[in-house]
Amino acid sequence: GAVVSQHPSWVICKSGTSVKIECRSLDFQATTMFWYRQFPKQSLMLMATSNEGSKATYEQGVEKDKFLINHASLTLSTLTVTSAHPEDSSFYICSARYRGRVNTEAFFGQGTRLTVV
Amino acid sequence: ELKVEQNPLFLSMQEGKNYTIYCNYSTTSDRLYWYRQDPGKSLESLFVLLSNGAVKQEGRLMASLDTKARLSTLHITAAVHDLSATYFCAVDSTRGGSNYKLTFGKGTLLTVNP
Repeated sequence: GAVVSQHPSWVICKSGTSVKIECRSLDFQATTMFWYRQFPKQSLMLMATSNEGSKATYEQGVEKDKFLINHASLTLSTLTVTSAHPEDSSFYICSARYRGRVNTEAFFGQGTRLTVV
Repeated sequence: ELKVEQNPLFLSMQEGKNYTIYCNYSTTSDRLYWYRQDPGKSLESLFVLLSNGAVKQEGRLMASLDTKARLSTLHITAAVHDLSATYFCAVDSTRGGSNYKLTFGKGTLLTVNP
Protein backbone atom coordinates (compact mmCIF):
# COMPACT_ATOMS: atom_id res chain seq x y z
CA GLY A 1 0.00 0.00 0.00
CA ALA A 2 0.87 3.65 -0.27
CA VAL A 3 2.92 5.30 2.45
CA VAL A 4 1.94 8.37 4.42
CA SER A 5 4.60 9.77 6.68
CA GLN A 6 3.74 11.96 9.63
CA HIS A 7 6.28 13.94 11.61
CA PRO A 8 7.01 14.27 14.45
CA SER A 9 5.79 11.10 16.13
CA TRP A 10 5.56 12.87 19.44
CA VAL A 11 6.11 16.38 20.70
CA ILE A 12 6.02 18.10 24.05
CA CYS A 13 5.54 21.84 24.10
CA LYS A 14 4.86 24.59 26.58
CA SER A 15 1.50 26.30 26.86
CA GLY A 16 1.23 29.25 24.55
CA THR A 17 3.64 27.98 21.93
CA SER A 18 2.77 26.70 18.47
CA VAL A 19 3.45 23.26 17.08
CA LYS A 20 3.57 22.17 13.44
CA ILE A 21 2.82 18.62 12.33
CA GLU A 22 3.69 17.48 8.81
CA CYS A 23 1.92 14.87 6.74
CA ARG A 24 3.57 13.64 3.55
CA SER A 25 2.44 11.15 0.95
CA LEU A 26 5.73 9.52 -0.01
CA ASP A 27 4.94 7.59 -3.15
CA PHE A 28 1.74 9.09 -4.49
CA GLN A 29 0.06 12.41 -5.05
CA ALA A 30 -2.78 13.13 -2.68
CA THR A 31 -5.69 15.26 -3.79
CA THR A 32 -7.11 15.34 -0.36
CA MET A 33 -5.65 14.97 3.08
CA PHE A 34 -7.62 14.64 6.27
CA TRP A 35 -6.69 15.55 9.82
CA TYR A 36 -8.11 13.63 12.76
CA ARG A 37 -7.87 13.96 16.48
CA GLN A 38 -8.19 11.06 18.86
CA PHE A 39 -8.61 11.19 22.61
CA PRO A 40 -7.69 8.14 24.74
CA LYS A 41 -10.04 5.21 24.28
CA GLN A 42 -12.16 7.12 21.79
CA SER A 43 -12.68 7.03 18.07
CA LEU A 44 -11.16 9.32 15.48
CA MET A 45 -12.76 12.72 15.12
CA LEU A 46 -12.35 14.45 11.78
CA MET A 47 -11.04 17.96 12.24
CA ALA A 48 -10.66 19.17 8.67
CA THR A 49 -10.32 18.21 5.05
CA SER A 50 -7.39 19.68 3.20
CA ASN A 51 -7.18 20.14 -0.57
CA GLU A 52 -4.03 21.14 -2.38
CA GLY A 53 -4.04 24.79 -3.28
CA SER A 54 -7.26 25.70 -1.53
CA LYS A 55 -8.48 26.48 1.94
CA ALA A 56 -9.18 23.63 4.27
CA THR A 57 -12.74 22.71 5.16
CA TYR A 58 -13.18 22.49 8.91
CA GLU A 59 -15.70 20.38 10.75
CA GLN A 60 -18.23 22.03 12.97
CA GLY A 61 -16.76 23.03 16.30
CA VAL A 62 -13.15 23.04 15.16
CA GLU A 63 -11.47 26.42 15.50
CA LYS A 64 -9.83 27.26 12.20
CA ASP A 65 -7.71 30.00 13.76
CA LYS A 66 -6.33 27.58 16.30
CA PHE A 67 -5.72 24.64 14.00
CA LEU A 68 -4.10 26.06 10.88
CA ILE A 69 -3.94 23.74 7.92
CA ASN A 70 -1.84 24.31 4.86
CA HIS A 71 -1.77 21.98 1.84
CA ALA A 72 0.92 23.57 -0.28
CA SER A 73 1.62 20.65 -2.59
CA LEU A 74 0.14 17.33 -3.66
CA THR A 75 2.41 15.52 -1.22
CA LEU A 76 2.45 17.73 1.86
CA SER A 77 -0.09 19.04 4.31
CA THR A 78 0.70 20.67 7.64
CA LEU A 79 -1.32 21.19 10.78
CA THR A 80 -0.21 23.96 13.12
CA VAL A 81 -1.66 24.06 16.60
CA THR A 82 -1.38 27.70 17.60
CA SER A 83 -1.12 28.95 21.17
CA ALA A 84 -1.35 25.41 22.45
CA HIS A 85 -3.00 24.65 25.76
CA PRO A 86 -3.08 21.44 27.83
CA GLU A 87 -6.55 20.62 26.50
CA ASP A 88 -5.02 20.40 23.01
CA SER A 89 -3.00 17.41 24.15
CA SER A 90 -4.13 14.54 22.00
CA PHE A 91 -3.17 12.05 19.28
CA TYR A 92 -3.34 13.66 15.83
CA ILE A 93 -3.53 11.48 12.73
CA CYS A 94 -3.49 12.47 9.08
CA SER A 95 -4.65 10.47 6.10
CA ALA A 96 -4.39 10.91 2.36
CA ARG A 97 -6.19 9.67 -0.73
CA TYR A 98 -4.89 9.26 -4.26
CA ARG A 99 -5.18 12.09 -6.72
CA GLY A 100 -7.48 11.43 -9.60
CA ARG A 101 -8.97 8.19 -8.35
CA VAL A 102 -12.30 7.44 -6.80
CA ASN A 103 -13.23 4.53 -4.63
CA THR A 104 -9.76 4.28 -3.17
CA GLU A 105 -8.91 3.79 0.43
CA ALA A 106 -7.36 6.39 2.65
CA PHE A 107 -3.84 5.79 3.92
CA PHE A 108 -2.94 6.88 7.42
CA GLY A 109 0.14 8.45 8.90
CA GLN A 110 1.78 7.12 12.04
CA GLY A 111 0.16 9.75 14.22
CA THR A 112 1.59 12.49 16.41
CA ARG A 113 1.26 12.44 20.17
CA LEU A 114 1.05 16.07 21.33
CA THR A 115 1.52 16.87 25.00
CA VAL A 116 1.16 20.47 26.12
CA VAL A 117 2.60 21.26 29.53
CA GLU B 1 -25.69 13.01 8.61
CA LEU B 2 -24.04 9.62 8.31
CA LYS B 3 -23.93 7.64 11.53
CA VAL B 4 -21.88 4.51 12.04
CA GLU B 5 -22.65 2.18 14.91
CA GLN B 6 -20.37 -0.58 15.99
CA ASN B 7 -21.14 -3.31 18.46
CA PRO B 8 -20.04 -4.57 20.74
CA LEU B 9 -17.78 -1.80 22.00
CA PHE B 10 -15.93 -4.18 24.28
CA LEU B 11 -15.28 -7.82 23.58
CA SER B 12 -13.41 -10.21 25.79
CA MET B 13 -12.99 -13.64 24.34
CA GLN B 14 -11.02 -16.78 24.92
CA GLU B 15 -8.43 -18.06 22.57
CA GLY B 16 -9.84 -20.49 20.08
CA LYS B 17 -13.35 -19.03 20.10
CA ASN B 18 -15.22 -17.36 17.27
CA TYR B 19 -17.01 -14.03 17.36
CA THR B 20 -18.44 -11.32 15.13
CA ILE B 21 -18.24 -7.56 15.31
CA TYR B 22 -21.08 -5.65 13.66
CA CYS B 23 -21.03 -2.31 11.89
CA ASN B 24 -24.29 -0.59 10.92
CA TYR B 25 -24.50 2.68 9.06
CA SER B 26 -27.34 5.05 8.44
CA THR B 27 -27.18 6.24 4.82
CA THR B 28 -26.43 4.72 1.47
CA SER B 29 -22.80 3.91 0.87
CA ASP B 30 -21.02 1.12 -0.91
CA ARG B 31 -17.57 1.67 0.49
CA LEU B 32 -16.66 0.39 3.92
CA TYR B 33 -13.32 -0.11 5.57
CA TRP B 34 -12.03 -2.02 8.58
CA TYR B 35 -9.00 -0.88 10.53
CA ARG B 36 -7.00 -2.19 13.43
CA GLN B 37 -5.38 0.04 16.01
CA ASP B 38 -2.83 -1.10 18.58
CA PRO B 39 -2.30 1.01 21.71
CA GLY B 40 -0.34 4.16 20.95
CA LYS B 41 -0.29 3.43 17.24
CA SER B 42 -2.08 4.70 14.18
CA LEU B 43 -4.54 2.78 12.05
CA GLU B 44 -3.65 -0.31 10.06
CA SER B 45 -5.87 -1.07 7.09
CA LEU B 46 -7.43 -4.53 7.24
CA PHE B 47 -10.12 -4.66 4.59
CA VAL B 48 -11.56 -2.47 1.87
CA LEU B 49 -15.10 -3.47 0.87
CA LEU B 50 -16.30 -1.73 -2.26
CA SER B 51 -19.49 -3.47 -3.33
CA ASN B 52 -22.56 -5.22 -2.08
CA GLY B 53 -21.83 -8.81 -1.18
CA ALA B 54 -18.08 -8.23 -0.93
CA VAL B 55 -16.32 -10.73 1.28
CA LYS B 56 -12.65 -10.62 2.12
CA GLN B 57 -10.54 -12.85 4.32
CA GLU B 58 -7.11 -12.51 5.79
CA GLY B 59 -5.94 -15.11 8.23
CA ARG B 60 -8.43 -15.45 11.08
CA LEU B 61 -10.40 -12.37 10.04
CA MET B 62 -13.18 -12.21 7.49
CA ALA B 63 -15.17 -9.14 6.56
CA SER B 64 -18.38 -8.85 4.58
CA LEU B 65 -20.61 -6.07 3.35
CA ASP B 66 -24.36 -5.98 2.77
CA THR B 67 -25.18 -2.55 1.37
CA LYS B 68 -28.92 -3.20 1.31
CA ALA B 69 -28.95 -3.90 5.02
CA ARG B 70 -26.26 -1.22 5.57
CA LEU B 71 -24.34 -3.77 7.57
CA SER B 72 -20.80 -5.05 7.65
CA THR B 73 -19.44 -7.81 9.81
CA LEU B 74 -15.94 -8.66 10.93
CA HIS B 75 -15.76 -12.31 11.88
CA ILE B 76 -12.98 -13.66 14.04
CA THR B 77 -12.22 -17.35 13.79
CA ALA B 78 -10.29 -19.24 16.47
CA ALA B 79 -9.03 -16.10 18.13
CA VAL B 80 -5.44 -15.79 19.25
CA HIS B 81 -3.88 -13.32 21.66
CA ASP B 82 -2.20 -11.38 18.84
CA LEU B 83 -5.61 -10.24 17.63
CA SER B 84 -6.09 -8.15 20.76
CA ALA B 85 -6.52 -4.56 19.55
CA THR B 86 -9.19 -1.97 18.81
CA TYR B 87 -11.08 -2.50 15.56
CA PHE B 88 -12.78 0.33 13.72
CA CYS B 89 -15.13 0.30 10.81
CA ALA B 90 -15.41 3.42 8.67
CA VAL B 91 -17.82 4.40 5.94
CA ASP B 92 -17.29 6.77 3.04
CA SER B 93 -19.55 9.75 2.53
CA THR B 94 -19.43 12.53 -0.01
CA ARG B 95 -19.34 16.17 0.88
CA GLY B 96 -20.85 17.50 -2.30
CA GLY B 97 -17.72 16.96 -4.33
CA SER B 98 -14.83 14.61 -4.56
CA ASN B 99 -13.81 14.98 -0.94
CA TYR B 100 -14.85 11.64 0.37
CA LYS B 101 -14.51 11.67 4.10
CA LEU B 102 -14.64 8.69 6.40
CA THR B 103 -17.05 8.43 9.29
CA PHE B 104 -15.78 6.07 11.95
CA GLY B 105 -17.57 3.82 14.36
CA LYS B 106 -16.65 4.08 18.02
CA GLY B 107 -14.41 1.06 17.81
CA THR B 108 -14.45 -2.37 19.39
CA LEU B 109 -11.81 -3.10 22.00
CA LEU B 110 -11.02 -6.77 21.59
CA THR B 111 -9.17 -8.65 24.30
CA VAL B 112 -8.27 -12.26 23.66
CA ASN B 113 -7.49 -14.17 26.82
CA PRO B 114 -5.47 -17.39 27.03
